Amino acid sequence: EDQVTQSPEALRLQEGESSSLNCSYTVSGLRGLFWYRQDPGKGPEFLFTLYSAGEEKEKERLKATLTKKESFLHITAPKPEDSATYLCAVQASGGSNYKLTFGKGTLLTVNP
Amino acid sequence: GAVVSQHPSRVICKSGTSVKIECRSLDFQATTMFWYRQFPKQSLMLMATSNEGSKATYEQGVEKDKFLINHASLTLSTLTVTSAHPEDSSFYICSARVGQGNAPQHFGDGTRLSIL
Repeated sequence: EDQVTQSPEALRLQEGESSSLNCSYTVSGLRGLFWYRQDPGKGPEFLFTLYSAGEEKEKERLKATLTKKESFLHITAPKPEDSATYLCAVQASGGSNYKLTFGKGTLLTVNP
Repeated sequence: GAVVSQHPSRVICKSGTSVKIECRSLDFQATTMFWYRQFPKQSLMLMATSNEGSKATYEQGVEKDKFLINHASLTLSTLTVTSAHPEDSSFYICSARVGQGNAPQHFGDGTRLSIL
């Protein structure tokens, strides 16, 4: 069974204080790993897809990296508007369903 | 681009009522849409995969007679919660995949369902 574990559950940062969120996964074969941002009462917003170990993607203050066992979401010099829950999901290879298995997320709060 | 619209955003109704939730892909065609359920501080749990023109595929433990899914066109899927009870209260979110293969899923803004 595919499993995704995110840590920490919650993270509080000061504006400008860089940090990283972790996503550890167990999957029979990885087709893709996805990062999403979710604001309260809203649906997840797509950030990145990573397909193979060693791959990196960047968008503004966010950078996602991938190894064979985990992914990190690095946040550089965060701003209060980066406050949200960040979700990680994996898609297993094989089959035609293409379903995602999500972690519980990391609630990030950035204080001004 | 890749906008998914979900309606209604919130529903409050009495126990025993059936509730229909719509999910539309506004600027693309989606042969496959997904329905999720999310409890507070929990991860999104896939309920079913909705395929245009064919029967939905339900995840283990999800009652297909309770949660009726219809995907009659390439831009619309509906989820009907039949004879809803308080334990069905949750946040329901749909998503659609742009393109084929491992293309990312894009999500609607969810429906908060509260059964009294």
